Amino acid sequence: RKEVEQDPGPFNVPEGATVAFNCTYSNSASQSFFWYRQDCRKEPKLLMSVYSSGNEDGRFTAQLNRASQYISLLIRDSKLSDSATYLCVVNWGGSTLGRLYFGRGTQLTVWP
Amino acid sequence: GAGVSQSPSNKVTEKGKDVELRCDPISGHTALYWYRQSLGQGLEFLIYFQGNSAPDKSGLPSDRFSAERTGGSVSTLTIQRTQQEDSAVYLCASRDRVSTDTQYFGPGTRLTVL
Repeated sequence: RKEVEQDPGPFNVPEGATVAFNCTYSNSASQSFFWYRQDCRKEPKLLMSVYSSGNEDGRFTAQLNRASQYISLLIRDSKLSDSATYLCVVNWGGSTLGRLYFGRGTQLTVWP
Repeated sequence: GAGVSQSPSNKVTEKGKDVELRCDPISGHTALYWYRQSLGQGLEFLIYFQGNSAPDKSGLPSDRFSAERTGGSVSTLTIQRTQQEDSAVYLCASRDRVSTDTQYFGPGTRLTVL
């Protein structure tokens, strides 16, 4: 089983739609969780961290379920500029500067 | 301030040649990571440096791959006797203890082995 698994995608949605991505991780000792965004032929960039109580940043909502080892990202009112690949990222236990495990990513295309 | 920089941005080489890829992390960042990403694929972890600790080399695909980090700053990834399957984008990233949430990536080096 891979350390971090994501919906295979791709997701193709119209502008204004709500879309949700899911991710599961294998190590129950994982401490930190993130969503990164990667535009075509660009480097990944942090979109948002995922906190135990769930957190929201504008149109983006991230949730964590430690019991199920499951992370989600919800995007409301999709914009054309949201088109990208979304990477689920997990930092396993130990050092807070330890290795990050990346999922393979879910591709999102928002069409007009 | 300056971000993570990598050089060269593009490298074309012939099969069997050695290549060196360079990464300049953000000043003061103690953790440095190398990844590679093949076309349409996810990020593949290669190696991780943290301060003066022994690096985590568990992701290196073969003994043709090696990396150094000198003076806790600049890092060089070396691929010996390159093969066509080594063609990929090689990404470097750094983190620090202050903003541990964010791993800052460089723009990558696109390696093409003919």
